[in-house]
Amino acid sequence: DVKVTQSSRYLVKRTGEKVFLECVQDMDHENMFWYRQDPGLGLRLIYFSYDVKMKEKGDIPEGYSVSREKKERFSLILESASTNQTSMYLCASSFARGDGANVLTFGAGSRLTVL
Amino acid sequence: GDSVTQMEGPVTLSEEAFLTINCTYTATGYPSLFWYVQYPGEGLQLLLKATKADDKGSNKGFEATYRKETTSFHLEKGSVQVSDSAVYFCARAGGTSYGKLTFGQGTILTVHP
Repeated sequence: DVKVTQSSRYLVKRTGEKVFLECVQDMDHENMFWYRQDPGLGLRLIYFSYDVKMKEKGDIPEGYSVSREKKERFSLILESASTNQTSMYLCASSFARGDGANVLTFGAGSRLTVL
Repeated sequence: GDSVTQMEGPVTLSEEAFLTINCTYTATGYPSLFWYVQYPGEGLQLLLKATKADDKGSNKGFEATYRKETTSFHLEKGSVQVSDSAVYFCARAGGTSYGKLTFGQGTILTVHP
């Protein structure tokens, strides 16, 4: 019954490494999102995508990029990881329009530690 | 910009106690409002929602009423269970930006037997 799958639950990387976080959804959702979750700050939107090969910046895009080559897959890329990117990363998806667009289905999260 | 503010946590209650978690939002337009819940080790899932003023969302014994006059959407449950222990997030929709939700900081709820 898994609907949004994040490839890695836990990652440990070194400063300066390139990091890929992968997300796949099997619900044929048009919209996909990447959030980061930090204690006391809640969830903050990094990037989102409404369609294949389309992306838009969220509230905190600095230091990140994304790729959406297929409808079901949305990747988050840290070009050069830094310690302040240590966080829980959550992928989510939703339908394109209307009330269903705001009903997000989340993955279980990827906890990244940058040393 | 859009923002959501939740009451400070964590909240610790005994089983069968009454729960209130406060949430207020910025009054930009008339956004849909949501409560999401995150159980340990899992992603967030929708708990309930309300799309217009005076609407009451409800699910699993939880309720929240959309109060336009106080820009609030407080979460309540009459009798909590140990299984309700989780992190609760209030969120508002972003106007015409479909699916672009703004979340509060989250409230950790722990319920003891």
